[in-house]
Amino acid sequence: EAQVTQNPRYLITVTGKKLTVTCSQNMNHEYMSWYRQDPGLGLRQIYYSMNVEVTDKGDVPEGYKVSRKEKRNFPLILESPSPNQTSLYFCASRHSASGGNYEQYFGPGTRLTVT
Amino acid sequence: AQSVAQPEDQVNVAEGNPLTVKCTYSVSGNPYLFWYVQYPNRGLQFLLKYITGDNLVKGSYGFEAEFNKSQTSFHLKKPSALVSDSALYFCAVRPVNTGGFKTIFGAGTRLFVKA
Repeated sequence: EAQVTQNPRYLITVTGKKLTVTCSQNMNHEYMSWYRQDPGLGLRQIYYSMNVEVTDKGDVPEGYKVSRKEKRNFPLILESPSPNQTSLYFCASRHSASGGNYEQYFGPGTRLTVT
Repeated sequence: AQSVAQPEDQVNVAEGNPLTVKCTYSVSGNPYLFWYVQYPNRGLQFLLKYITGDNLVKGSYGFEAEFNKSQTSFHLKKPSALVSDSALYFCAVRPVNTGGFKTIFGAGTRLFVKA
């Protein structure tokens, strides 16, 4: 089954404790992206990756890091989480980074709470 | 600044009646346009897209959308609503002049279909 998986689905942590949210896709997609969803704000793009070892900032990259060492994986790293990073996070992928007309496939989401 | 507006936080409609969920955008050039739906505790699912051609596009689950270039709008429609259509709907715009790598989402519109 074609899918995007994220782990963990739920996470409660404390300020400053480094964490990683994993994302994996089995569709051989070149392009992957991370979003955060907040009430009243919709989804905002954090980082995206056009291919292995190629990443760039989205609209809200502060406080986040990413890496793309393999085509199927695109982990999101919070080096020192803060309460304002409490949110619902989605990973997404699509065919062909340069083919912007393709739709994205989304993971099930990770609900993060930072206390 | 580029933006996507979904002017209604919530739309209420009776089952069997037509529904419209509105979306307008402020993006330079001729962007790609998308609609996604989010059911509770799920990731976003693709509904339909406009790339070029006919202004009326058809998508999944009987939904369609009408593109209006002069009004920079992309309203989602369905002739006859079902209770199972109740969900959160997002309009998304992908500017082509930035390489198609970024996607801007609206804040979302919650659709309630009453039996």
